[in-house]
Amino acid sequence: QVQLKESGPGLVQPSETLSLTCTVSGFSLTSYSVSWVRQPSGKGPEWMGRMWYDGDTAYNSALKSRLSISRDTSKNQVFLKMNSLQTDDTGTYYCTRVATGLDYWGQGVMVTVSS
Amino acid sequence: DIVLTQAPLSVSVTPGESASISCRSSKSLLSSKGITSLYWYLQKPGKSPQLLIYRMSNLASGVPDRFSGSGSETDFTLKISKVETEDVGVYYCAQFLEYPLTFGSGTKLEIK
Repeated sequence: QVQLKESGPGLVQPSETLSLTCTVSGFSLTSYSVSWVRQPSGKGPEWMGRMWYDGDTAYNSALKSRLSISRDTSKNQVFLKMNSLQTDDTGTYYCTRVATGLDYWGQGVMVTVSS
Repeated sequence: DIVLTQAPLSVSVTPGESASISCRSSKSLLSSKGITSLYWYLQKPGKSPQLLIYRMSNLASGVPDRFSGSGSETDFTLKISKVETEDVGVYYCAQFLEYPLTFGSGTKLEIK
């Protein structure tokens, strides 16, 4: 069955870089796109960017200067890197499969930006 | 960016009754291909969002037919008939017409 799982550090220092990994199973990264979505506690989701099935990328312009999404199809993994983290980057980060909408979501990883 | 405005902020419903949630878009979500790119999600407490409705009125796989979506190009409604206790959570509308994809601020459904 389709599964996505995020992994990465739970605590990041201000001004440092966040690195997250999304490991997928049950589908191919060369057939489906994957998006990253984050959600501050108590607020609505925010779309961050997308890794297309053909390797192209799209980013939220609000984050584009700090964000990079890449992948390793041999390992079924999609990566997120975001630099210059600040406290308002704290929240839960999800990876999602893109089909008719964002149809499958990972469990999410909570990231706290704090010194 | 397309702004989605949801109402009400919260709704309290007796089990077995119906509930409706509104979502208004700042721009038409009807694409040139005739598809209305409005989606509904439910985020149960402590869980990831789950897809309920895609392209305004299509039920996602495994979703009970108590849920239904309707609307026009800019005004949309999610209706839940015969609400059950398992329906509690926050409901979000989302648009996938153009980047960046955007979400509404959410409507919290509680059981009386």
